[in-house]
Amino acid sequence: DGGITQSPKYLFRKEGQNVTLSCEQNLNHDAMYWYRQDPGQGLRLIYYSQIVNDFQKGDIAEGYSVSREKKESFPLTVTSAQKNPTAFYLCASTRDGVKKTGELFFGEGSRLTVL
Amino acid sequence: GQSLEQPSEVTAVEGAIVQINCTYQTSGFYGLSWYQQHDGGAPTFLSYNGLDGLEETGRFSSFLSRSDSYGYLLLQELQMKDSASYFCGLDTGRRALTFGSGTRLQVQP
Repeated sequence: DGGITQSPKYLFRKEGQNVTLSCEQNLNHDAMYWYRQDPGQGLRLIYYSQIVNDFQKGDIAEGYSVSREKKESFPLTVTSAQKNPTAFYLCASTRDGVKKTGELFFGEGSRLTVL
Repeated sequence: GQSLEQPSEVTAVEGAIVQINCTYQTSGFYGLSWYQQHDGGAPTFLSYNGLDGLEETGRFSSFLSRSDSYGYLLLQELQMKDSASYFCGLDTGRRALTFGSGTRLQVQP
């Protein structure tokens, strides 16, 4: 079945460690996105990518990094520079950006807890 | 920049109709989307308005007035399974959505 797979579902990290969250899609979508969600809050855009080898900073990019070496993969690294990384991280994709349909397809999320 | 405002919570009874409002401020506008998210789950797409007017999809409808910078999601014949958070999302032309803080809908028997 086509979809977006995020892993791991749950992750615990010690302060000062970098962690990488995986996001893979087999929908043949061009655009991919990373959002962060804090309890009771909306989704905030971290990074997004419209094509391979290109990506743009979102509204809260500080302390995060991404790569887009393959169309189907968009991993997110939460670095030790991110001051408050405990959150629910959601990856999304769409065929050609949201301009015509406003529709994003989301993965099931990765919940990161910093101990 | 851009901003969106939604009520934080709405309560309604089963079988009723509820309206969730979204007002926004932005320098560029392409469309307004609506998403549903159950606790701990992924957001799922409900509706999109690129032009003024009403879009209907089953029990859910969404309305947009670009001149008023305002939209709403209308849920009819409420069911218990509609208890969830609902987010409006703004497309300002940067090809990514900016979301509101969400409205938590509680459907009571």
